[in-house]
Amino acid sequence: DADVTQTPRNRITKTGKRIMLECSQTKGHDRMYWYRQDPGLGLRLIYYSFDVKDINKGEISDGYSVSRQAQAKFSLSLESAIPNQTALYFCATSDSLETQYFGPGTRLLVL
Amino acid sequence: AQSVTQLDSHVSVSEGTPVLLRCNYSSSYSPSLFWYVQHPNKGLQLLLKYTSAATLVKGINGFEAEFKKSETSFHLTKPSAHMSDAAEYFCVVSHPYGGSQGNLIFGKGTKLSVKP
Repeated sequence: DADVTQTPRNRITKTGKRIMLECSQTKGHDRMYWYRQDPGLGLRLIYYSFDVKDINKGEISDGYSVSRQAQAKFSLSLESAIPNQTALYFCATSDSLETQYFGPGTRLLVL
Repeated sequence: AQSVTQLDSHVSVSEGTPVLLRCNYSSSYSPSLFWYVQHPNKGLQLLLKYTSAATLVKGINGFEAEFKKSETSFHLTKPSAHMSDAAEYFCVVSHPYGGSQGNLIFGKGTKLSVKP
């Protein structure tokens, strides 16, 4: 079984809809992250959490919110989706040694 | 501030020839540096990691990278390309200190094509 799972893997939604992307991990790590990937731009950090009570904005948090429901679960919400949020979204986890482990990604299309 | 620049957006090699993917970094501190690989429609996988031990770092699948502080470079190499190496490669630097400790800064990626 994969250590970091993301659901759904693919999602098509319409402008203005609220959607949630979910991430679960079995690695026992305290730190979790959400990134988006756009062609030619690499990965950019949206939000990160160093433990259940700690939530921090990343480079591009506008239009997004997160919830850390448990050590193993970190969800990303788009309150009102817009077309420029069409991207590939990755969840990642890490221990204190910096190496991050990535999920398989969620491909989101906002029409 | 930390940053990372991948000097080539696309590299094409023939199978069996050497691979060189170039990366330069900027950091106010002694950085941790990583190379990640992303195969088509897959997540990111760690290839190798530098954390101030040996300057030549060996990774998976025959890849290695050399940390050169004087040149602020961390280029990725492989002696002989294989078709399965075709993927996108990301050079990454990490914040070593402060509230963002452990956060990664990604380069924009280099797409490697391998011709038969």
